[in-house]
Amino acid sequence: AQSVAQPEDQVNVAEGNPLTVKCTYSVSGNPYLFWYVQYPNRGLQFLLKYITGDNLVKGSYGFEAEFNKSQTSFHLKKPSALVSDSALYFCAVRDLTGANNLFFGTGTRLTVIP
Amino acid sequence: EPEVTQTPSHQVTQMGQEVILRCVPISNHLYFYWYRQILGQKVEFLVSFYNNEISEKSEIFDDQFSVERPDGSNFTLKIRSTKLEDSAMYFCASSESGAAGAIQAFFGQGTRLTVV
Repeated sequence: AQSVAQPEDQVNVAEGNPLTVKCTYSVSGNPYLFWYVQYPNRGLQFLLKYITGDNLVKGSYGFEAEFNKSQTSFHLKKPSALVSDSALYFCAVRDLTGANNLFFGTGTRLTVIP
Repeated sequence: EPEVTQTPSHQVTQMGQEVILRCVPISNHLYFYWYRQILGQKVEFLVSFYNNEISEKSEIFDDQFSVERPDGSNFTLKIRSTKLEDSAMYFCASSESGAAGAIQAFFGQGTRLTVV
């Protein structure tokens, strides 16, 4: 069965500092991994995805994520946080069995402190 | 930029009543989805829809739920007899393709359903 874990409900970081939002996954085969962000009163917005290839993927708004197969992790990172990055971040996985739906984590609320 | 739109943004209904949540997917997309998020919990898959029929559904999507694409633009989720535990944020999503899995889904802003 597919699942995603986001171990931190809340992450606080000072503006200008690097940020990391953690995600680990469990699938029976190779995963497709996604990060989505939700701003207040907005839908889930796609940030980036890992399908295959380079383990470091770059996405929107300066975010990147590193796929680590041995640790089954897909942590979201940004070198320098902005106050406007404050939002709810969701990691999601889709497996390769043909199922089209995404399995989401519980979300991590990121607060960037000015 | 095209986007998925959902109406209403917030719906309050009495237990036992029927509700219809509405979504307008992105126009050239072929796969449509409903997800829900109970407050404080993870986003959960409900159902996917392709070619005018359900392609997948989760255990949550029981007989009280139904989906429909009544015309070329709308995609609706009906809950026949609402229960208190149906209170959640409901997200609609659409994607160009579902088979490859590599295409991301685009989500609407959600409808917050409150059953009282």
